[in-house]
Amino acid sequence: RKEVEQDPGPFNVPEGATVAFNCTYSNSASQSFFWYRQDCRKEPKLLMSVYSSGNEDGRFTAQLNRASQYISLLIRDSKLSDSATYLCVVNINTGNQFYFGTGTSLTVIP
Amino acid sequence: DGGITQSPKYLFRKEGQNVTLSCEQNLNHDAMYWYRQDPGQGLRLIYYSQIVNDFQKGDIAEGYSVSREKKESFPLTVTSAQKNPTAFYLCASSTPRQGWNSPLHFGNGTRLTVT
Repeated sequence: RKEVEQDPGPFNVPEGATVAFNCTYSNSASQSFFWYRQDCRKEPKLLMSVYSSGNEDGRFTAQLNRASQYISLLIRDSKLSDSATYLCVVNINTGNQFYFGTGTSLTVIP
Repeated sequence: DGGITQSPKYLFRKEGQNVTLSCEQNLNHDAMYWYRQDPGQGLRLIYYSQIVNDFQKGDIAEGYSVSREKKESFPLTVTSAQKNPTAFYLCASSTPRQGWNSPLHFGNGTRLTVT
């Protein structure tokens, strides 16, 4: 079983739409959670950390559900520039290892 | 500005040759990592190092070697024993001392092509 699983998509949404991605993790000892954005042929860049109480950064909202072991990312009012692959990342503090989902591809259509 | 520098950005080698990818960081991070990404796939961990002079194998260490002689530097050697070396290689660092929610910071990657 993979440590982190994501729906690969692709998600094709019109500009202005709201889109949500989910990610499940298998290790209940996971401590830290992140969403990264990766543009084509570029390195991943931190979009936001995910806190237990949920957190928001502009149009982006991240939530954590420890009981069901999943995290989510909600993007409101999608922009063309949001088109990218979104990676779910989980840190299990033992050994300070990070585990990546395979990424969810988003294309925002004019 | 602090960051992670990988060089070169593109690298071409003939099969059977060893090649070393450079990774330098000035973020004063303790932990450094090497990942490999193949088209349409997620990142896979090759090696990681929590402190100087110590490193651990990741999920796909075969055919690779690393060293961590300095805190700032974590070079990766792709040896001729690596069966499918053509890939996008990403170096990253983090600082566990900042707390459990310390994220990974990535370099801009090296795209290796072996023919």
